[in-house]
Amino acid sequence: EAGVTQFPSHSVIEKGQTVTLRCDPISGHDNLYWYRRVMGKEIKFLLHFVKESKQDESGMPNNRFLAERTGGTYSTLKVQPAELEDSGVYFCASSQFFDGPLHFGNGTRLTVT
Amino acid sequence: RKEVEQDPGPFNVPEGATVAFNCTYSNSASQSFFWYRQDCRKEPKLLMSVYSSGNEDGRFTAQLNRASQYISLLFRDSKLSDSATYLCVFLSGNTGKLIFGQGTTLQVKP
Repeated sequence: EAGVTQFPSHSVIEKGQTVTLRCDPISGHDNLYWYRRVMGKEIKFLLHFVKESKQDESGMPNNRFLAERTGGTYSTLKVQPAELEDSGVYFCASSQFFDGPLHFGNGTRLTVT
Repeated sequence: RKEVEQDPGPFNVPEGATVAFNCTYSNSASQSFFWYRQDCRKEPKLLMSVYSSGNEDGRFTAQLNRASQYISLLFRDSKLSDSATYLCVFLSGNTGKLIFGQGTTLQVKP
């Protein structure tokens, strides 16, 4: 069984540019989550999809962040325009049930310069 | 106050040592607790769930103390491969949202 895959693994962009991160969850997992870890801080929840619907987006920092999951399969997280404080590791995770174990992807390491 | 508090360490221990980590949480309504392990520059991976009655998994023992609002992780006979960051995690409400602690770093030395 393929795990959660994320692309790209690294991204270096300049302040003001746009970046789109992609996550392919484990096939059949309706629940998809985005988390972020900025330097020196704990991993923090961004949002939760159930299929294509946003179940909880309370962790999204501001309107520069847009997440989509069209068709309920893969998800994208767009940051536009990127700011320096957006640098960190963005993890995607999926689960079959909302209270089931989460399977994390390898993460995308974003550096905004 | 943070929702989850952990001593970041690092904890440096020799091989074979017994190690114990604690973690306190502030939300008394929390129902589900977990320990995740994260290796350097890798994704978090579930180590074990924590049950009310306490549970063991090989060298690892997890316990929950609801009255004092903390969970613990103990592991015996530590190995070099146990070196990692251990994350205390709980499930917030009924939405599947996980709340992570900052993690405790463990370095096992030969």
